[in-house]
Amino acid sequence: KNEVEQSPQNLTAQEGEFITINCSYSVGISALHWLQQHPGGGIVSLFMLSSGKKKHGRLIATINIQEKHSSLHITASHPRDSAVYICASGGGADGLTFGKGTHLIIQP
Amino acid sequence: AAGVIQSPRHLIKEKRETATLKCYPIPRHDTVYWYQQGPGQDPQFLISFYEKMQSDKGSIPDRFSAQQFSDYHSELNMSSLELGDSALYFCASSLVGSEQFFGPGTRLTVL
Repeated sequence: KNEVEQSPQNLTAQEGEFITINCSYSVGISALHWLQQHPGGGIVSLFMLSSGKKKHGRLIATINIQEKHSSLHITASHPRDSAVYICASGGGADGLTFGKGTHLIIQP
Repeated sequence: AAGVIQSPRHLIKEKRETATLKCYPIPRHDTVYWYQQGPGQDPQFLISFYEKMQSDKGSIPDRFSAQQFSDYHSELNMSSLELGDSALYFCASSLVGSEQFFGPGTRLTVL
């Protein structure tokens, strides 16, 4: 069974700072997902990666298959980025295995 | 754009009652997933369906069952409800192997 670990668990930063959240997994995967969950509970998919790097606006996700490691970066962070960011592994029609999440707070 | 629809959004039941949660995937998506998220916990995968056939099974209790119908909507049936079943239940849909889109969730409270 794949284990997914994230760090840090909690992160508080000032507006404008560059944010990095790390994720490691124990066995080879077909895809790695980054998700965002707001206090209201809704989950939004940010990225699905199987190799390399993807960018959407101020968000960048990278994955290193050999090292079984992925990172999510937020540039020019803003208070509206405050949320729980979750790394999850899974592909095909298989369910996702979730990490514990990183609680991010961006202070004005 | 159409999103995943879940109903009801909130449900309150007594212990030992039954509950049925419904999920309507994004049109043309062929895969549906069910997840359970207890208070303060990370989501846990329950079960998935691809083209109306069960595809993968996670930590779904024997008291729960699910199916996907010919119109691709899915239902999660929960019987003999326990206090510990109180949670947020998410449905997600995707084209197989692609990004999953999550519904808003059904918040189940068991009293």
